Amino acid sequence: DTEVTQTPKHLVMGMTNKKSLKCEQHMGHRAMYWYKQKAKKPPELMFVYSYEKLSINESVPSRFSPECPNSSLLNLHLHALQPEDSALYLCASSQERTGGSSSYEQYFGPGTRLTVT
Amino acid sequence: GQNIDQPTEMTATEGAIVQINCTYQTSGFNGLFWYQQHAGEAPTFLSYNVLDGLEEKGRFSSFLSRSKGYSYLLLKELQMKDSASYLCAVSSSSGGSYIPTFGRGTSLIVHP
Repeated sequence: DTEVTQTPKHLVMGMTNKKSLKCEQHMGHRAMYWYKQKAKKPPELMFVYSYEKLSINESVPSRFSPECPNSSLLNLHLHALQPEDSALYLCASSQERTGGSSSYEQYFGPGTRLTVT
Repeated sequence: GQNIDQPTEMTATEGAIVQINCTYQTSGFNGLFWYQQHAGEAPTFLSYNVLDGLEEKGRFSSFLSRSKGYSYLLLKELQMKDSASYLCAVSSSSGGSYIPTFGRGTSLIVHP
């Protein structure tokens, strides 16, 4: 199984709603990532989890709250979002978190297209 | 920080060869990735280079020159399905994280 799954595929939410994005992988990867991608732009890193611990937070606003319940699951909790947060949210995983002596390819999920109204 | 540069858009003919360049400026270089992303879909891994030289994988090859801060992705025998965005991503110690940073991507249009 070399697949990263994400649910839902599409999400429309109001600025006062609370919702969650889910990501799952069963490749035994120990690093998981959240990216935000706007149209015609590259993916922008938001969070990195390594061995179920948050290792990188790229100064993401607190209205985005990540959670890693176990080594296969990654959630992104959303609350009080703004219209400018509308984007494609990509989850990715890799064997390990890239470090000083090694780099690992990332496997991306299909993404959740989020629209904030 | 890192500075990664790729052309915004390229066009090519079905059956031809196209070379997509990526230049970068960074400290503590730790590898360069190429990903393919079709519109509305997730990026998929194509290649990884950490040493100088050419890596070949079927119709796709990737080249790296660390001294020049330069890589290219070579696509041969182009097919219509190769129309996509091609993202160069550089891993380095800049910023301390080693997490690959993506370039803006090159949109490749293959026409008959």
